[in-house]
Amino acid sequence: AQSVTQLGSHVSVSEGALVLLRCNYSSSVPPYLFWYVQYPNQGLQLLLKYTSAATLVKGINGFEAEFKKSETSFHLTKPSAHMSDAAEYFCASSNSGGYQKVTFGTGTKLQVIP
Amino acid sequence: EAGVTQSPTHLIKTRGQQVTLRCSPISGHTSVYWYQQALGLGLQFLLWYDEGEERNRGNFPPRFSGRQFPNYSSELNVNALELEDSALYLCASRSRDLRSNQPQHFGDGTRLSIL
Repeated sequence: AQSVTQLGSHVSVSEGALVLLRCNYSSSVPPYLFWYVQYPNQGLQLLLKYTSAATLVKGINGFEAEFKKSETSFHLTKPSAHMSDAAEYFCASSNSGGYQKVTFGTGTKLQVIP
Repeated sequence: EAGVTQSPTHLIKTRGQQVTLRCSPISGHTSVYWYQQALGLGLQFLLWYDEGEERNRGNFPPRFSGRQFPNYSSELNVNALELEDSALYLCASRSRDLRSNQPQHFGDGTRLSIL
């Protein structure tokens, strides 16, 4: 069964510093992978998705993620953190095929320190 | 394009009562997912409907149930409410496009508080 693991339930960075949120997947075949962001009292918003077209995926708000099969990772990065990036981030995976089950990680709360 | 809409946005109930939450998917989406997000417990998968059928169910008791209508909208019903049911209930919809993988699109949720 597929699964995703997010390392670090809370991450703190200074404003302007690099953001790195970690996600590792477990699957017998490379899955489709997603990153979502959730702001307080809102639903989840798609940041980016990996669907095997390119290993480096660029998303909204300056975020990007790199798929590394050898490390079974799909870490999310942003070169320079803004205060508005403070939110909870979820990694998710989906198997290929018609009836696709989506599995979410436990989430990482990002705190941006001024 | 209208996004996923959920109603009501907030709800206050007491223990033992019953509640119905509603979700309208994005036009053209046939799959609807329900999640419970309780404080400190992350996103817990509840139910998945596709083409009017229940396709998968999370580890929740039978008092959590739902259905999907011919127009693909969905209801989540919770009977005999308990204090631990207090949570944000999120609905997501998804295109069942077999040519490429499509992400889930989320509504803003219904905040359910049990007193």
